[in-house]
Amino acid sequence: ETVLTQSPATLSLSPGERATLSCRASQSVSNYLAWYQQKAGQAPRLLIYGATTRATGIPARFSGSGSGTDFTLTISRLEPEDFAVYYCQQRGKWPPTFGQGTKVEI
Amino acid sequence: EVQLVESGGGLVRPGGSLRLSCAASGFIFSNFKMHWVRQAPGKGLEWVSSITKTSTYIYYADSVKGRLTISRDNAKNSLSLQMTGLRAEDTAVYYCVRASPDDWFDTWGPGTLVTVSS
Repeated sequence: ETVLTQSPATLSLSPGERATLSCRASQSVSNYLAWYQQKAGQAPRLLIYGATTRATGIPARFSGSGSGTDFTLTISRLEPEDFAVYYCQQRGKWPPTFGQGTKVEI
Repeated sequence: EVQLVESGGGLVRPGGSLRLSCAASGFIFSNFKMHWVRQAPGKGLEWVSSITKTSTYIYYADSVKGRLTISRDNAKNSLSLQMTGLRAEDTAVYYCVRASPDDWFDTWGPGTLVTVSS
């Protein structure tokens, strides 16, 4: 199966700062990559799909880039509600798989 | 409002069985592929199973194949997961997830906790 490796495991930042999260696939998944946000005690929420497209209702400060094996989620200016765990997920190769997550903390 | 609500979780002994249900509302259930995704305590996300709109195609993760059975009832807007031969490593929150038309996990229920322990 396709392994997704996220880095860093933890990102310590302050509100207003820029966050850059990485996801690397063990083989090409083209642009079949999504990002999810999960807050403590809640279900994940779809942020980005197709590597670059924001899901409905997602603020413009969230952006995705990349293709093939290397992907990035950027949060341009962190808001207090953005501190959470972020997961990447691919569906370019069967079965669908998730990365292990990056925690964005204050 | 699009909503998914899981039920049926609980404590079960190793080797036991449990049936999870998911009630869907706020959208035309029969128009969407559905998935189950799980998350062990303090761990990441793992896709478990999926079922197409008319149940024509069903898929399972290797870790659950032969033990878990997904099904749906479009007349009742419900998704189910029959779990048998449960193991400690099946302990997790199980999420019912709707797939977008291009098969992203676009709507999640709050999840139901399954604990397998003696």
